[in-house]
Amino acid sequence: DVKVTQSSRYLVKRTGEKVFLECVQDMDHENMFWYRQDPGLGLRLIYFSYDVKMKEKGDIPEGYSVSREKKERFSLILESASTNQTSMYLCASSLPPGTQYFGPGTRLTVL
Amino acid sequence: KQEVTQIPAALSVPEGENLVLNCSFTDSAIYNLQWFRQDPGKGLTSLLLIQSSQREQTSGRLNASLDKSSGRSTLYIAASQPGDSATYLCAVGLRNQGGKLIFGQGTELSVKP
Repeated sequence: DVKVTQSSRYLVKRTGEKVFLECVQDMDHENMFWYRQDPGLGLRLIYFSYDVKMKEKGDIPEGYSVSREKKERFSLILESASTNQTSMYLCASSLPPGTQYFGPGTRLTVL
Repeated sequence: KQEVTQIPAALSVPEGENLVLNCSFTDSAIYNLQWFRQDPGKGLTSLLLIQSSQREQTSGRLNASLDKSSGRSTLYIAASQPGDSATYLCAVGLRNQGGKLIFGQGTELSVKP
């Protein structure tokens, strides 16, 4: 069965902290994605990766970075968390041109 | 720039009704189109994927159609049940961008017993 897991369901951090969100897929997918979801704005792509050590900026990369050292793992990093990064973060993976499979999401609150 | 619109934003129907959710997109040069379901506070569950060369896909009580020339897709749900209550999201996959998805805002469906 297809599985995408995210390291935390809920996370509370303070302004200025460095935050790591991790995503792991067990399907040997090439592509992995990080989205954020906000009321009224919908889902927006932050970064994606189409291979190990490869990354591409999405629509809203500012304030974020990513790391993909292994095929199954894609990490999203908030270098210095700010309150406007409070959101639901969703990770996905796919084999192009196939279905994107999503993880359960991490609800991040930055105080 | 690709834009995806879903109408209506919310829909309430009695149990047993057949219903149609609509999705429109502005650029017909798509890679694929995917329909998702999202329950409150949860991640997205993929329902159906239609490749750009296909016209429709079916899974159980769900049928999704794609008309690229008119920039439209519909999700048909037969014999709706209270368990179908959720937000339904349409997303268009872009060619040459790793299959990046552009999402609509979703239709919030409520099926009343």
